[in-house]
Amino acid sequence: KNEVEQSPQNLTAQEGEFITINCSYSVGISALHWLQQHPGGGIVSLFMLSSGKKKHGRLIATINIQEKHSSLHITASHPRDSAVYICAAETSGSRLTFGEGTQLTVNP
Amino acid sequence: GAVVSQHPSRVICKSGTSVKIECRSLDFQATTMFWYRQFPKQSLMLMATSNEGSKATYEQGVEKDKFLINHASLTLSTLTVTSAHPEDSSFYICSATDRLTEAFFGQGTRLTVV
Repeated sequence: KNEVEQSPQNLTAQEGEFITINCSYSVGISALHWLQQHPGGGIVSLFMLSSGKKKHGRLIATINIQEKHSSLHITASHPRDSAVYICAAETSGSRLTFGEGTQLTVNP
Repeated sequence: GAVVSQHPSRVICKSGTSVKIECRSLDFQATTMFWYRQFPKQSLMLMATSNEGSKATYEQGVEKDKFLINHASLTLSTLTVTSAHPEDSSFYICSATDRLTEAFFGQGTRLTVV
């Protein structure tokens, strides 16, 4: 069993739909990261959170420390949101353990 | 936001040669840099952690003599793939942190060994 598991692996949505990607982890963490990887491979850090909820534009990330679960939500999805979304658990020494990613495709 | 510059973005090299990849933090001092590798359709895997001025810590299964990491300054870390083989072809990406904020990622380097 992976230390960080994401679901779903693949997600196809229509433009405008509300999207949720889930992440469960089994290790003790200092923070949970959500990353976005574009087709060319470049990675952008979306959120780093250790409790509660963060919002940036149409993106919302939540975490439940007790349940070891985090979610990434995208409201009013757009084709430009199409990318791979990765959650990563930060453990001691700032090391990141990555989930396998969720491939999101938003169709116009 | 903070910027991490990774160079080159793509490189093709002959089998047996060495390739150096640079990772620079442009507007902050990176006390720690991480090197990751990603094979197609797989998640990122940590290769090694480097702290400025000290030897890198390699993950299990990563050959330190093959993947040489140097972190000589607070803004630069290099990964050298020595005696490259086709199976080393992969996407290599670095991240850097000052340990006060989140880690920032380079753009990645797609290495093809022919």
